[in-house]
Amino acid sequence: NAGVTQTPKFRVLKTGQSMTLLCAQDMNHEYMYWYRQDPGMGLRLIHYSVGEGTTAKGEVPDGYNVSRLKKQNFLLGLESAAPSQTSVYFCASSPRTRVHEQYFGPGTRLTVT
Amino acid sequence: AQSVAQPEDQVNVAEGNPLTVKCTYSVSGNPYLFWYVQYPNRGLQFLLKYITGDNLVKGSYGFEAEFNKSQTSFHLKKPSALVSDSALYFCAVRVGNTNAGKSTFGDGTTLTVKP
Repeated sequence: NAGVTQTPKFRVLKTGQSMTLLCAQDMNHEYMYWYRQDPGMGLRLIHYSVGEGTTAKGEVPDGYNVSRLKKQNFLLGLESAAPSQTSVYFCASSPRTRVHEQYFGPGTRLTVT
Repeated sequence: AQSVAQPEDQVNVAEGNPLTVKCTYSVSGNPYLFWYVQYPNRGLQFLLKYITGDNLVKGSYGFEAEFNKSQTSFHLKKPSALVSDSALYFCAVRVGNTNAGKSTFGDGTTLTVKP
């Protein structure tokens, strides 16, 4: 049982490049989330999903897209990276019956130059 | 709207002493409150939660938190701190058990426990 895993762990992009962050969970959780963590700003929700095939915007969705084609995977895409998207990205999941208990992945550190 | 405040960026305590990490919240409705811990280069780990019932809730690693409705606070406590408790602590709040994704996190408090 690996829990929540994220790929890659680190990435450096140039402005304008695109990339996809992959989140996978093996706990059969219905809900999945993408957050970004910036110094002094806590965690901010980017997008989330309440089930396969559904996604919704969080607090800071601009510049990101997501897809949940399979229940166990939640992808976060940056179509045209900007320096303001330099951050640490965390994926989380939670079961429908205990939606408040979120299980987090180890994070992806992204730098956009 | 819901919000969380962690008024201290840093808390320093000596090993063996009691520790308190403060959290206050603002919500419209009954709050669900949580504490998470983050160790360096790791994701957040769930520590404990208050949903309803006893105001004092116990969680992992000997931590506990006290829900105070009149003061809208949910301070994290431990009777005797360990050096290994040094980490970044986040308080979070949401209203109800619906609205997935609607938890609001505080900015975090760095706890340093010195030997």
